[in-house]
Amino acid sequence: QQQVKQSPQSLIVQKGGISIINCAYENTAFDYFPWYQQFPGKGPALLIAIRPDVSEKKEGRFTISFNKSAKQFSLHIMDSQPGDSATYFCAASYNFNKFYFGSGTKLNVKP
Amino acid sequence: GAVVSQHPSRVICKSGTSVKIECRSLDFQATTMFWYRQFPKQSLMLMATSNEGSKATYEQGVEKDKFLINHASLTLSTLTVTSAHPEDSSFYICSARMRGRNHEQYFGPGTRLTVT
Repeated sequence: QQQVKQSPQSLIVQKGGISIINCAYENTAFDYFPWYQQFPGKGPALLIAIRPDVSEKKEGRFTISFNKSAKQFSLHIMDSQPGDSATYFCAASYNFNKFYFGSGTKLNVKP
Repeated sequence: GAVVSQHPSRVICKSGTSVKIECRSLDFQATTMFWYRQFPKQSLMLMATSNEGSKATYEQGVEKDKFLINHASLTLSTLTVTSAHPEDSSFYICSARMRGRNHEQYFGPGTRLTVT
C-alpha cells in the first residue's frame, strides 16, 4: 500500500506563475512532512518541511499548506522560475525513523 | 553544514563483479544512514537502514546477501553490490541523519551504477 500519494505526475507552468503539487497520506502517526527538490543526476535536497501542528509554512517563494483532517499537504511555488524546473518529491515520516516518498512531480517552468 | 558525499559518482562494471559505494557525512556525525535506489523517472525506494556499529535493517524484498551494507564509523557507510547483474543498474542514493537527536536526513549526490 502506497503510504504517500502525489499528484500531478508532471506540471508545466509559465514563468511567474504558481506551481501547485499535492500529496495525500494514510498514516495519521506521521509527524513530519518534507518536500525535496531533485535535479537530474543529483540527490534530493530538502526544500521545506512542516509538522502537523501548523497549517501553513512559508519560506521565500515556497509554501506548504497542511490539512490534517483531510490528510493532505501541498507545495506552492510562487513566481515560478525556469530554475525551479526539477522533480519534486513529498515525503512523510514518523519520528524521522523512516521516510515514505511520493512518486514525484516533474515541474517544467517555461520562460 | 550537513554535507553528505558519495563515491564514486558513476561506475561501470561487468556482470558478475562487485562494486562498493561509499557514503560519508563530511561535517557531522551520523548514527543512522539510509540507502535508497531510484529507477529512472521514479521515486526513491528505501533499501536499508544502517546504524553505526550494528547490522543493517533491510526492507522487504531487498536481498541482504546481494547488497552488503557496512556502517563502520559515525561518518562512513558502504554499500557493496555483489555479483552485479544488468538489472542492478540504477541510481543509488544514501542519506545520513545527525547523531544525538531525531533530525532530518541529508542526501548524498547519488551514484550511477551501470552493469554491462
